[in-house]
Formats: sequence, structure tokens, C-alpha cells
Amino acid sequence: QKEVEQNSGPLSVPEGAIASLNCTYSDRGSQSFFWYRQYSGKSPELIMFIYSNGDKEDGRFTAQLNKASQYVSLLIRDSQPSDSATYLCAVKRRGENQGGKLIFGQGTELSVKP
Amino acid sequence: DAGITQSPRHKVTETGTPVTLRCHQTENHRYMYWYRQDPGHGLRLIHYSYGVKDTDKGEVSDGYSVSRSKTEDFLLTLESATSSQTSVYFCAISETGGPTTNEKLFFGSGTQLSVL
Repeated sequence: QKEVEQNSGPLSVPEGAIASLNCTYSDRGSQSFFWYRQYSGKSPELIMFIYSNGDKEDGRFTAQLNKASQYVSLLIRDSQPSDSATYLCAVKRRGENQGGKLIFGQGTELSVKP
Repeated sequence: DAGITQSPRHKVTETGTPVTLRCHQTENHRYMYWYRQDPGHGLRLIHYSYGVKDTDKGEVSDGYSVSRSKTEDFLLTLESATSSQTSVYFCAISETGGPTTNEKLFFGSGTQLSVL
């Protein structure tokens, strides 16, 4: 079992719909959770981070964390073709107190159709 | 890309040759990282640095070494390149500061390395 797992997709949604991206992790003590967006041929870009159970909203993006279920998700409302990219989930393990030694999932490819 | 420059952007080399990739930052950030990205594996940490001359291994460090003699430069060396090291290599940095600051990674543009 991989430490951070994502469905590789592709996930296809129509323009204007809600895209739901999911991620599970195996280390129950993981403390910090991140979503990165990566356009084809480009570098990853941080779009959301969440530390506590519940929802965190930033514009059209909502991150949801459920530590009991070891599950983190990213919702994109009013999806646009420009949201088409690969979304990477990343987790920081317990005990990693210094810096950003993150464990990444393999990414979910999202395609938003006009 | 947050003041991070990777060089070269593309490199083709032969099996058994040494290769050095360079990461240069203008942000004066304390933490620097080397990740590799492969299909089906996502990003995997090779080595990281907490400061000048302070480095440590990540999860896939075999066959790689690093050096950091200045805050702004972090070098990744493949001592004897193998075909399994064909990959896209990303350098990342994170700020000095508390846990919620120093764990946010900013990535360079990447180096596409092909080992033939």
C-alpha cells in the first residue's frame, strides 16, 4: 500500500460542475496536508493546505480533512477548462518537525470539458 | 518560479557518466530539496538540506549525493548515471520559520534528464 494514494484518473467533468478529488493516507499521525496543481510540462504549484479536521475554503477551492478516516479531498466549484491539470496530494508525516519533507501521491489528472 | 533556477533544463547523458544538476535560489530560504518525478510514482524525495553543509537523505537517495556550500546553491550529483535515473528532477525550497511556514514547498522549473 502506498503511503499516499490518489486515483490517477483521468477525471472528466463539464465546465461549471464541481470536481471532487480524493486522497487517502496511511500514517494516522500525519499532521499537515497539501494540494498542488501541476500543468502539463510545468512544476507543481501549492494551491491549498489544511491542518485541522473540517473544511477550508479559498475562492473556488475547498479542502476537506477527515483524520479519523485518513482522508483528504479537494473540491473545485464552477470548474473551468483552465483547471485542467494534475492535482497532487501531499502529506507531512508525524515527527517530521523540520521543513517540508512531504510524501506525495501519484496525482489525479483532471480534465474540464467546455 | 519563486526565485529558483535549475540548470540545465534538459540533459542527455550516457550510462556510467557522472552528472551534476544545479539549483540556485535568490530567496535566502533555509530549506532546499531535490525530488524526482516519474509516471506512477509521483514526486519522491531524494535529498534535502536544512542549511549550509547540513544535508540528509530522502526516500530514494541511492546513487545520488548532494552538496550545499552556500545558502543559495544546492547541487545534486548522480555519481554514475543509470537508465533508472531517467526522470524529471525538481528542486524545491521552503522558508525559514515555524512549521506552518517551512513546510510549504516552492518548486523550480525542473530538469529533464535522459540516461541512455
